[in-house]
Amino acid sequence: QPVLTQSSSASASLGSSVKLTCTLSSGLSNYIIAWHQLQPGKAPRFLMKLEGSGSYNKGSGVPDRFSGSSSGADRYLTISNLQSEDEADYYCETWDSNTRVFGGGTKLTVL
Amino acid sequence: QVQLVESGGGGVQPGRSLRLSCAASGFTFGSFGMHWVRQAPGKGLEWVAVIWYDGSNKYYADSVKGRFTISRDNSKNTLSLQMNSLRVEDTAVYYCARSALGGSYGEVDYWGQGTLVTVSS
Repeated sequence: QPVLTQSSSASASLGSSVKLTCTLSSGLSNYIIAWHQLQPGKAPRFLMKLEGSGSYNKGSGVPDRFSGSSSGADRYLTISNLQSEDEADYYCETWDSNTRVFGGGTKLTVL
Repeated sequence: QVQLVESGGGGVQPGRSLRLSCAASGFTFGSFGMHWVRQAPGKGLEWVAVIWYDGSNKYYADSVKGRFTISRDNSKNTLSLQMNSLRVEDTAVYYCARSALGGSYGEVDYWGQGTLVTVSS
């Protein structure tokens, strides 16, 4: 079963950029992942599907400020021009053999 | 637009049962796999179960296998989760989620708002 590792927290200033990392367990560098945003009182939101090549497909209505990239087993979510509404928990997700896993989540604080 | 609305959550004692429902609209329900995902208080997301687009295959997390049953009624655009022998550690917000594909693979691309299940004596 795959394992996804995320830093527990991150912070960045309003208007700046931040890059969140999701690391796949050993040997799984070709796996596709997805990024999701969770905010209190709101339904979780699918942000994008991200392949090992770095190619990504965003969900409906996801702002251009959100982008994805990959390097080896690492999958990145970059948020540019940070807004206060970007303060949220961000989770990565992957799947294999009829099961799926989520990373532990990164709590993003916008300063 | 895609809408997923969960219902059926509430408080229940350990060992008892509860049934969650998810009403889907805005898409061809019978073409997509569906998941239940939960989040315990202060914890991260945990996948619970998946059912294929036609109900032919169902898979569960080890933590709920043998106690929970996922099902769907494509004629009513409804997903269900029957939860038996509930434990305190099943306390969580339960989310209904759509898979981008018809089977077990593919990302979750839409989520419901969630329904809270509290298991306590």
